[in-house]
Amino acid sequence: QQQVKQSPQSLIVQKGGISIINCAYENTAFDYFPWYQQFPGKGPALLIAIRPDVSEKKEGRFTISFNKSAKQFSLHIMDSQPGDSATYFCAASNPYDKIIFGKGTRLHILP
Amino acid sequence: DAGITQSPRHKVTETGTPVTLRCHQTENHRYMYWYRQDPGHGLRLIHYSYGVKDTDKGEVSDGYSVSRSKTEDFLLTLESATSSQTSVYFCAISDAWSGGSYNSPLHFGNGTRLTVT
Repeated sequence: QQQVKQSPQSLIVQKGGISIINCAYENTAFDYFPWYQQFPGKGPALLIAIRPDVSEKKEGRFTISFNKSAKQFSLHIMDSQPGDSATYFCAASNPYDKIIFGKGTRLHILP
Repeated sequence: DAGITQSPRHKVTETGTPVTLRCHQTENHRYMYWYRQDPGHGLRLIHYSYGVKDTDKGEVSDGYSVSRSKTEDFLLTLESATSSQTSVYFCAISDAWSGGSYNSPLHFGNGTRLTVT
């Protein structure tokens, strides 16, 4: 119930391509779904977040797609760049329990 | 960037020795957290604090203790370090009890890489 399952574990995308990372959850009480980006030697940093009352949120080249009925959400990175190479974590939380993180996806963008 | 400083940034220690990691924040956030990051396991919560002298266990608290004597400081202590505690440790802060909400997201420090030999 408390897990957030993230896939794939690693992803290689050509420069200019679309990177897609998927997450699934079980707990319908989750009401906040953030994505974190982590560069080597740094801590994770909030990238973009969504509430379950919207199906999509876009910030620049980054888009969260949210499917409440399927209990799934995904991060799309359009026109992927080498500078996007990082580890990405999805997460989910609600006011009653600690935030739960997916296990992360290592993204590598080929130049 | 949120004002979170972790020290030391790197440490190598021997099995059986005590180790203390420090987290200092300048944001006056109520909640502070210690996570460890390991390949294949993502981020796992060790302990958290919801105020001065108020702490509680996370999912992987065995072998760790914490203390918070001031709002801005949160210490993580490995009483007797073991090789299984070799990891990267992250401190995080938030104003949300859950460790993250739309109005008060979780902010991380840059981590301490600990190696136990």
